[in-house]
Amino acid sequence: KQEVTQIPAALSVPEGENLVLNCSFTDSAIYNLQWFRQDPGKGLTSLLLIQSSQREQTSGRLNASLDKSSGRSTLYIAASQPGDSATYLCAVGTLTQGGSEKLVFGKGTKLTVNP
Amino acid sequence: KAGVTQTPRYLIKTRGQQVTLSCSPISGHRSVSWYQQTPGQGLQFLFEYFSETQRNKGNFPGRFSGRQFSNSRSEMNVSTLELGDSALYLCASSFGPRGTDTQYFGPGTRLTVL
Repeated sequence: KQEVTQIPAALSVPEGENLVLNCSFTDSAIYNLQWFRQDPGKGLTSLLLIQSSQREQTSGRLNASLDKSSGRSTLYIAASQPGDSATYLCAVGTLTQGGSEKLVFGKGTKLTVNP
Repeated sequence: KAGVTQTPRYLIKTRGQQVTLSCSPISGHRSVSWYQQTPGQGLQFLFEYFSETQRNKGNFPGRFSGRQFSNSRSEMNVSTLELGDSALYLCASSFGPRGTDTQYFGPGTRLTVL
């Protein structure tokens, strides 16, 4: 059974700092990994999607890496801003017995960027 | 292009009642998935529909059911509500049949069971 863990559960940093969020998963047989952002009481916004054959993806100040063999992914945020404050969720795409796919989510890292 | 919409946004019910939640995917998207989010358990997969067929179901009791219509709109139903069903219910849509597509989430329906 796939399990996804995110460390730390919460992180508080001053504005301008570069930071790394971690995600680990127990089963390396994944087809992709996605990072999402969730603002309080809101739905999820997809940030980056890494296919299983890829090592990293970049979008603006965000860079996500994937190491399938070790079951780890990191989300790097450069020059953090107060607007980056949110909960960041990692989700692993897993193939089910029925041949379809589902996402297994970690519990998230709550990021606070202080001005 | 309009995003994923969910109705209603907020709902208050009492134990024993039933509830129906609705999700309209992004135009052209054929896959709809439902998730339950609670502070204790995080986001948990409920079920996924593609072209009106349920392809996958999470580990939830039979009180949780769903369906998808020919226009890809989806509904989920929870019967005999329990206090523990209080949660944010999120719907996500994607274009193709494979989960390698990016999933787009709606704002969610906040269900409170009293």
